Amino acid sequence: GAVVSQHPSWVICKSGTSVKIECRSLDFQATTMFWYRQFPKQSLMLMATSNEGSKATYEQGVEKDKFLINHASLTLSTLTVTSAHPEDSSFYICSGGLAAGNIQYFGAGTRLSVL
Amino acid sequence: GDSVTQMEGPVTLSEEAFLTINCTYTATGYPSLFWYVQYPGEGLQLLLKATKADDKGSNKGFEATYRKETTSFHLEKGSVQVSDSAVYFCALSDGGATNKLIFGTGTLLAVQP
Repeated sequence: GAVVSQHPSWVICKSGTSVKIECRSLDFQATTMFWYRQFPKQSLMLMATSNEGSKATYEQGVEKDKFLINHASLTLSTLTVTSAHPEDSSFYICSGGLAAGNIQYFGAGTRLSVL
Repeated sequence: GDSVTQMEGPVTLSEEAFLTINCTYTATGYPSLFWYVQYPGEGLQLLLKATKADDKGSNKGFEATYRKETTSFHLEKGSVQVSDSAVYFCALSDGGATNKLIFGTGTLLAVQP
């Protein structure tokens, strides 16, 4: 199956710093990439959807200035958590989707801990 | 809005036991339904899917049938193995332009030898 690589897998940062998470589709071109956030024992919550070369579409309640998403190519999307605070600590997961078949291929996730 | 409800875990079974993980959904249209599995330390992987009523998705001994009348998509396996231990997520997609997925909360399955 299609492979999505997400990096880093775990990051610890100080409050007020920014953190960038990369999501790469290794063997396919992802027309759409999705970013999710998962709290302990809760479901994956969609944060935003991005298409290559265009601005991301954020879900209601997600601060677009806080969570910057760039989708510069069909194989790379990045999520930058700006001025991170302890409440941003969470598990962030990306996925890449193909135009047909509405199947998403997921990265292994990034655990962010903000001190 | 659309939503997915699945049974809470953890579910603990002995090897070769029968597995059922319940999943029901609420949707205004005709969604596609999915089961994803997440093994420890890995990303979510598609386990099976069904795109219309009465479709049965199957893979690796797992099955789920799209029941429109009961708005359900329960996951079953006749004989689980230790290697099936993972978190299972039920999800739906409304098939819109963005193909967004809406997930249930996930069910942790632990299979003991």
